[in-house]
Amino acid sequence: DGGITQSPKYLFRKEGQNVTLSCEQNLNHDAMYWYRQDPGQGLRLIYYSQIVNDFQKGDIAEGYSVSREKKESFPLTVTSAQKNPTAFYLCASSNGQEDIQYFGAGTRLSVL
Amino acid sequence: QKEVEQNSGPLSVPEGAIASLNCTYSDRGSQSFFWYRQYSGKSPELIMFIYSNGDKEDGRFTAQLNKASQYVSLLIRDSQPSDSATYLCAVMGRNKLVFGAGTILRVKS
Repeated sequence: DGGITQSPKYLFRKEGQNVTLSCEQNLNHDAMYWYRQDPGQGLRLIYYSQIVNDFQKGDIAEGYSVSREKKESFPLTVTSAQKNPTAFYLCASSNGQEDIQYFGAGTRLSVL
Repeated sequence: QKEVEQNSGPLSVPEGAIASLNCTYSDRGSQSFFWYRQYSGKSPELIMFIYSNGDKEDGRFTAQLNKASQYVSLLIRDSQPSDSATYLCAVMGRNKLVFGAGTILRVKS
């Protein structure tokens, strides 16, 4: 099955802890994205990557970090510097044509 | 002014009626427009995209775009209870997709 896989589905972070959210795609898409969604709000862009070994900050990058060592993988680390990490995190990918982005199932992050 | 604006709703329509969802955007240079459906607790699912002025139909869904008025809408014909969800409008700006906050649609049987 082609698609975007995010794991884990639920994640809990302790105070001062860094946590990493996984995003893997087998769609052969060049571009990948991370969004954050808070209740009643639209999606906000955290980071995006259009090619391997390159990525750019989105609108709310502070307290987050990413890497893009492989075309298939774009993990997001929520660092201890992110003081309000509780949210629904969505990974998306795009083949760069038609600007269409497809989403994974999401990871719901909460603070213990 | 928000880049992409939607009425938060909820918009309530009876089963079988036409639901009309609206979205306005601020960037006149935008070229690509998308409607996503998001069920509670789930990720967004693409249902329509439109690039040119006018109407685009796909089954029970019609997207309408008016670039001069910076307005894009989604019509859902013969609304079903399963259409009850949040509908997100998204507009491609300068290298990024900008989302509205979404309109909650409730279809009552």
